[in-house]
Amino acid sequence: QKEVEQNSGPLSVPEGAIASLNCTYSDRGSQSFFWYRQYSGKSPELIMFIYSNGDKEDGRFTAQLNKASQYVSLLIRDSQPSDSATYLCAVNFIPLPGNQFYFGTGTSLTVIP
Amino acid sequence: NAGVMQNPRHLVRRRGQEARLRCSPMKGHSHVYWYRQLPEEGLKFMVYLQKENIIDESGMPKERFSAEFPKEGPSILRIQQVVRGDSAAYFCASSREVYNSPLHFGNGTRLTVT
Repeated sequence: QKEVEQNSGPLSVPEGAIASLNCTYSDRGSQSFFWYRQYSGKSPELIMFIYSNGDKEDGRFTAQLNKASQYVSLLIRDSQPSDSATYLCAVNFIPLPGNQFYFGTGTSLTVIP
Repeated sequence: NAGVMQNPRHLVRRRGQEARLRCSPMKGHSHVYWYRQLPEEGLKFMVYLQKENIIDESGMPKERFSAEFPKEGPSILRIQQVVRGDSAAYFCASSREVYNSPLHFGNGTRLTVT
C-alpha cells in the first residue's frame, strides 16, 4: 500500500517565523516529490518539486528531501498571513504505469499576525 | 489561457439526475486526473486517463461514475443518478507525458445535489 503521511495540524506560527511542514512516504523507490498549497475553497497550486536528496530553495520556500529516512519537508521563511493555507505533499511512486501521484491529507497552516 | 480549464464552475443537480463535468488539459499535456474533495477533507484520487485510454480507475466508484478522455475534445467525468453524497468539489489536473512531470490543477467544479 502506497502511503503519504502528513500531520494534519493545525500548525500555528507567528508572522515572520519559520514554518516547517513534514511529509513521510512508504515506498523507498519513490522518485519525485511535490508540494502544493490550497487556500480554502480554491484548487491546489504547485509550490515546489524536488527529485534529489538535499535542499532546494525558491524564494522564501525550501524543500528538503531525505530518501534514506523517507521524508520530505517544506520550510517557509518569514511566514506571512497570506501563507495561511493547507499544504499538500504529493509523491510519484514507481513502478507504476504512467505518471501517478499519491497525496497526503494536508497540513493546515495558520500564520498569526 | 494555457491553464487547465474546467466547466462548469458550479453545478446544481437534483437527486437522480446526471452530472457531466468537463476538463480541458493544459496545452502540451496528455494526461488527465480527476480528484474529489469533500468539505474539510483531503483530495481523493478517482481516475487517471490518457487520450482514449484509462490508466487507473481504482479510486472511482464502480457504479454511477464513468470517465473518458476522447481523441478530440475535453475529458468528461459523468455521474449518473446523483445522490446527496456526491456533493463535493471535483478537481481535474493534467500533466505532461514525461514521468516526474508535476500536476497542474483546474479551478474545480462544485457539485451540489439537492
